Amino acid sequence: SQQGEEDPQALSIQEGENATMNCSYKTSINNLQWYRQNSGRGLVHLILIRSNEREKHSGRLRVTLDTSKKSSSLLITASRAADTASYFCATDAWEYGNKLVFGAGTILRVKS
Amino acid sequence: DTGVSQNPRHKITKRGQNVTFRCDPISEHNRLYWYRQTLGQGPEFLTYFQNEAQLEKSRLLSDRFSAERPKGSFSTLEIQRTEQGDSAMYLCASSLVSGGQGAYEQYFGPGTRLTVT
Repeated sequence: SQQGEEDPQALSIQEGENATMNCSYKTSINNLQWYRQNSGRGLVHLILIRSNEREKHSGRLRVTLDTSKKSSSLLITASRAADTASYFCATDAWEYGNKLVFGAGTILRVKS
Repeated sequence: DTGVSQNPRHKITKRGQNVTFRCDPISEHNRLYWYRQTLGQGPEFLTYFQNEAQLEKSRLLSDRFSAERPKGSFSTLEIQRTEQGDSAMYLCASSLVSGGQGAYEQYFGPGTRLTVT
């Protein structure tokens, strides 16, 4: 089974609104990464947060990590139609060696 | 464009045929990964190379699958005697690793979509 599970499975919002996606995982991690995938451009790395970090920002993206709850959230502020994509969390854990384990993703649709 | 490239982008084959995909990573990257992705799912790890050495293979990777990375540059993934269940998107990713442990930020190619009829 996959390590990470995203919630919700799908999210539809209006342009300008904020979008929040959550990821839960099972084992202790080294870091957690978020990726975006849209049909035209493949998977793109968005942000990496290490296990000793609690929050990280990149432009309109804010990621939080709660290792006690084994969960992370991705917040996209002031969403745009171009943010329409699938978003995946991926965990890097000692238990899984030198590879990432991806969740099933959240499908985000931003309506203009 | 200095990103990860994959060829072909699409492949349609008949059940039982062999197929080979190629991945060209970012030139200075020493680690290369192969993933498989089916509709509605995230990528699933198949195998990875550190330079030319194949260091790990998933249990998903049956004997019909083989991967190589000669000279630590491009990589090929071959599927022999394809089955309909092999239909998926095959993704390649590369990363620059120092220190050896853990997974790092990965740069993905556009993928090769395989359809087995």
